[in-house]
Amino acid sequence: GAGVSQSPSNKVTEKGKDVELRCDPISGHTALYWYRQRLGQGLEFLIYFQGNSAPDKSGLPSDRFSAERTGESVSTLTIQRTQQEDSAVYLCASSLRQANEKLFFGSGTQLSVL
Amino acid sequence: AQTVTQSQPEMSVQEAETVTLSCTYDTSESDYYLFWYKQPPSRQMILVIRQEAYKQQNATENRFSVNFQKAAKSFSLKISDSQLGDAAMYFCAYRNTGNQFYFGTGTSLTVIP
Repeated sequence: GAGVSQSPSNKVTEKGKDVELRCDPISGHTALYWYRQRLGQGLEFLIYFQGNSAPDKSGLPSDRFSAERTGESVSTLTIQRTQQEDSAVYLCASSLRQANEKLFFGSGTQLSVL
Repeated sequence: AQTVTQSQPEMSVQEAETVTLSCTYDTSESDYYLFWYKQPPSRQMILVIRQEAYKQQNATENRFSVNFQKAAKSFSLKISDSQLGDAAMYFCAYRNTGNQFYFGTGTSLTVIP
């Protein structure tokens, strides 16, 4: 596609439920990132995929959070047993491998946990 | 780990005037890249400008320019002839050679007509 696509754009869920967020990166982009942005805050790194290398999971806040990526395509971020503090916008970004390349962002998924 | 600091949570500027947004970072690396991103209410992050650390010349993109001071680890963004469409959150970002990005907490820019 022309840009990074995220779905759903909005998700409302009840506390304790599991949610799955999807990201379709730009074709050919080997790097994929997930960030969390709480209301009025900056971007908090969650996880980074680079090609077939082991992902950098150092930003995942708890074991309720996990993410997968198949090759260099779609990625899913799963949050199990959601809590109210998980409410945030979850942004996905992709980029080419070269270090001077910028990140291309999706429009994010607004997650609201009631 | 690298850190990026934006010390101005909010800034305002009169339309057509100039404003400077501050950013400092902490790193022990010599080779890295710096970016300014804009996030309007639509949530879509848009690249404004980027700078390679090995380049001494400050990057410029139309009305946007940076003042890159490598020794001071400072990377400020200057917006000239401010327009209403410039109103947004602005994030400073650092990318290391491991392709890891670090973002500041953002500066909310208001443009006053």
